Amino acid sequence: DIQMTQSPSTLSASVGDRVTITCRASQSISSWLAWYQQKPGKAPKLLMYQASSLESGVPSRFSGRGSGTEFTLTISSLQPDDFATYYCQQYNSSPPRTFGQGTKVEIK
Amino acid sequence: QVQLQESGPGLVKPSQTLSLTCTVSGGSISSGGYYWSWIRQHPGKGLEWIGYIYYSGSTYYNPSLKSRVTISEDTSKNQFSLKLSSVTAADTAVYYCAREDYYDSSGYRLWGQGTLVTVSS
Repeated sequence: DIQMTQSPSTLSASVGDRVTITCRASQSISSWLAWYQQKPGKAPKLLMYQASSLESGVPSRFSGRGSGTEFTLTISSLQPDDFATYYCQQYNSSPPRTFGQGTKVEIK
Repeated sequence: QVQLQESGPGLVKPSQTLSLTCTVSGGSISSGGYYWSWIRQHPGKGLEWIGYIYYSGSTYYNPSLKSRVTISEDTSKNQFSLKLSSVTAADTAVYYCAREDYYDSSGYRLWGQGTLVTVSS
């Protein structure tokens, strides 16, 4: 199985900060990576797919980069609504699908 | 628009079988082009992919759960289901149904709201 490792596990930041979350795959997944935002008691929400494609309706302050084994999600200017937990997920051709362990973005 | 809704018992006894159903509204499960999936989240933890079913009833399961999992579909009711046998407290989790578009290759764009299943006597 492909293992996904996110860092950091927790990130403390202030409104207006630029924040970056990293996700590493245990083997190449090309660009088959998605990012999700999850708030307490809610289902995950798709933010990015194919590593760098912004999902419709998602603010442009979110961006994604990477290919192969290393990926990043950047929020250019953190807003109050962005405090949440973020997950990466690989969907390389062969299952199983796997998720990173999550990064909690909290208020500094 | 298409919506997913999980349903099933919120409490299951140890050693019994957990059974959940996902009802698809606003679209047909038979239309093809999608992986109809189950994903779970242990309390306060991350997301674990359970498996999916796709056209003509083909399935793929997480190897870590494969011996206990069955995913099936009922096209007449526009539903797909999850059965997890021989449950223990470690299977206590929020269970989500979700849809992956394999033509669009976009990950999981559509999720149910999730349902908490507690395994306890």
